[in-house]
Amino acid sequence: EPEVTQTPSHQVTQMGQEVILRCVPISNHLYFYWYRQILGQKVEFLVSFYNNEISEKSEIFDDQFSVERPDGSNFTLKIRSTKLEDSAMYFCATRDSNSPLHFGNGTRLTVT
Amino acid sequence: EDQVTQSPEALRLQEGESSSLNCSYTVSGLRGLFWYRQDPGKGPEFLFTLYSAGEEKEKERLKATLTKKESFLHITAPKPEDSATYLCAVRGSTLGRLYFGRGTQLTVWP
Repeated sequence: EPEVTQTPSHQVTQMGQEVILRCVPISNHLYFYWYRQILGQKVEFLVSFYNNEISEKSEIFDDQFSVERPDGSNFTLKIRSTKLEDSAMYFCATRDSNSPLHFGNGTRLTVT
Repeated sequence: EDQVTQSPEALRLQEGESSSLNCSYTVSGLRGLFWYRQDPGKGPEFLFTLYSAGEEKEKERLKATLTKKESFLHITAPKPEDSATYLCAVRGSTLGRLYFGRGTQLTVWP
């Protein structure tokens, strides 16, 4: 069965550093999302992306965050200057027009 | 704001002991209620989508039902491999965005 693939599985970074989280969507999917889950808390929506532009973003997704599809296959989330409170699991999710969201196994981001 | 509340937070069952998990929701214009299973350190794994009150879906030992205010995930004769956190999420009038509950952590012991 096709999968959403995320790399790296674990990223440790120092406060103030930039990180890029990568996702390879399922091949025929056109809608892309980033969610995050702080330890012990709900899965929270960050941003949705369709047709090479952001279609919706949450209040969490401030100017420190950006997304892009640099080469037509990868989908990336960049955090420009990480803060301690950015420590979380970050999940990429994708779907086509008629399917539910399929999630990757996440990147655990630890900011020290 | 759209909201999802799940209960109980945690549930321990003996193998074979059937039970139900609850998901209460408030959403303007439901465009789908979703059940996911999440194992530790993994992403949510899709189980079911329900769209309208009265709808039911089944998969192995799991059955999901939907009313206008809540959904139930019934687990019949569970096995230890059913141990996981079960997440409920709704899609409202905003296209695509899911609102998740905190989940029910299910433990099934032999």
